[in-house]
Amino acid sequence: NAGVTQTPKFRILKIGQSMTLQCTQDMNHNYMYWYRQDPGMGLKLIYYSVGAGITDKGEVPNGYNVSRSTTEDFPLRLELAAPSQTSVYFCASSQGSGEAFFGQGTRLTVV
Amino acid sequence: AQSVTQLDSQVPVFEEAPVELRCNYSSSVSVYLFWYVQYPNQGLQLLLKYLSGSTLVESINGFEAEFNKSQTSFHLRKPSVHISDTAEYFCAVSSFHSGNTPLVFGKGTRLSVIA
Repeated sequence: NAGVTQTPKFRILKIGQSMTLQCTQDMNHNYMYWYRQDPGMGLKLIYYSVGAGITDKGEVPNGYNVSRSTTEDFPLRLELAAPSQTSVYFCASSQGSGEAFFGQGTRLTVV
Repeated sequence: AQSVTQLDSQVPVFEEAPVELRCNYSSSVSVYLFWYVQYPNQGLQLLLKYLSGSTLVESINGFEAEFNKSQTSFHLRKPSVHISDTAEYFCAVSSFHSGNTPLVFGKGTRLSVIA
């Protein structure tokens, strides 16, 4: 009963490096989301997808890219890491009523 | 656009005392409302939700929330808290308009239960 799986759990990047945060779900949900969580700021939406091949920007998309080639996978790409991207990243999926199921998060530090 | 305001960033409370975590929302369309809980170093877990019907919704561990449309509120309450309730609580809103809209979250309320 995996639900939403994120990898890696932790990562340290140097400024200017790139990386991909992986997210996969096994619930056959159409909707998938990427949020970032910063202390005292709640969760802010980076990108979301309503189905394979369809993505859209959220509130804070700058510096990130996504793709959705399959229903299961929704990777988040950081091309040129900056200290402002130090955060905890959560992937989530949903279907129907909007209730979202979250992964365990990826803690990213950019130094 | 939708928004959520959680009026208290931190709430300390003694064990077995009652607690209320406040949440107000803003939306121009009908909404779905949610409370999520986050324990340290974990993801978010759904605590309870209001989709339609009865305005009072309950969780399996004794929390309840009431949807008040006139006051645009969805406050979370528990009559007697336990140490294990120590966590961060997030109120969130979404709506159904040509498909689900992504959840919009408040900034969170950190509940600390004191023995």
